[in-house]
Amino acid sequence: GAVVSQHPSRVICKSGTSVKIECRSLDFQATTMFWYRQFPKQSLMLMATSNEGSKATYEQGVEKDKFLINHASLTLSTLTVTSAHPEDSSFYICSATLDSRSGNTIYFGEGSWLTVV
Amino acid sequence: AQTVTQSQPEMSVQEAETVTLSCTYDTSESDYYLFWYKQPPSRQMILVIRQEAYKQQNATENRFSVNFQKAAKSFSLKISDSQLGDAAMYFCAYRSYSSNTGKLIFGQGTTLQVKP
Repeated sequence: GAVVSQHPSRVICKSGTSVKIECRSLDFQATTMFWYRQFPKQSLMLMATSNEGSKATYEQGVEKDKFLINHASLTLSTLTVTSAHPEDSSFYICSATLDSRSGNTIYFGEGSWLTVV
Repeated sequence: AQTVTQSQPEMSVQEAETVTLSCTYDTSESDYYLFWYKQPPSRQMILVIRQEAYKQQNATENRFSVNFQKAAKSFSLKISDSQLGDAAMYFCAYRSYSSNTGKLIFGQGTTLQVKP
């Protein structure tokens, strides 16, 4: 069945370096994917909408130069946290929508824990 | 802009009992979807139940049911015969019917504790 896979599930990076998180739709194509950020015991906050073949749409307050999103194919979107700092440490989740005749189904990735030290 | 509000940060229920989680939302749209998601400690988002705004009938999935009051913009989740595995964080979410397929707006979440 349709699945969304995220990689890596956990990553630790040094302050000032960049780290890339991948979101893949398995067995289906997703022209649009979404990236969320979640702090401990808090809600999911939409960061950006990833559009295949075009620029991502960022939510207000999200630094597009810091959180680079690339959606180069119909099955892969990547989130790159550039010049990471400890305050970027968080849980990042992506989602993708499978469109079918019976309707739209949203699938979430397993999430990625980022720790910046 | 749409907003979703969950006013209960934490709830507790005895095993086998019934609990209701509250959710209100604000929108000027007439067509939309509402969801309840469960997030266990693994952090995987699990769809519990979905409601289309144009449907008057409340959605039901086994032990889970909703009370959808469109005029009041209320969307509560009732969990019957609560089980230990129901312990998790629950999020109410809104999605527009037309634009940005898949874009969800989440409430603050309610942490549900199930006592044995």
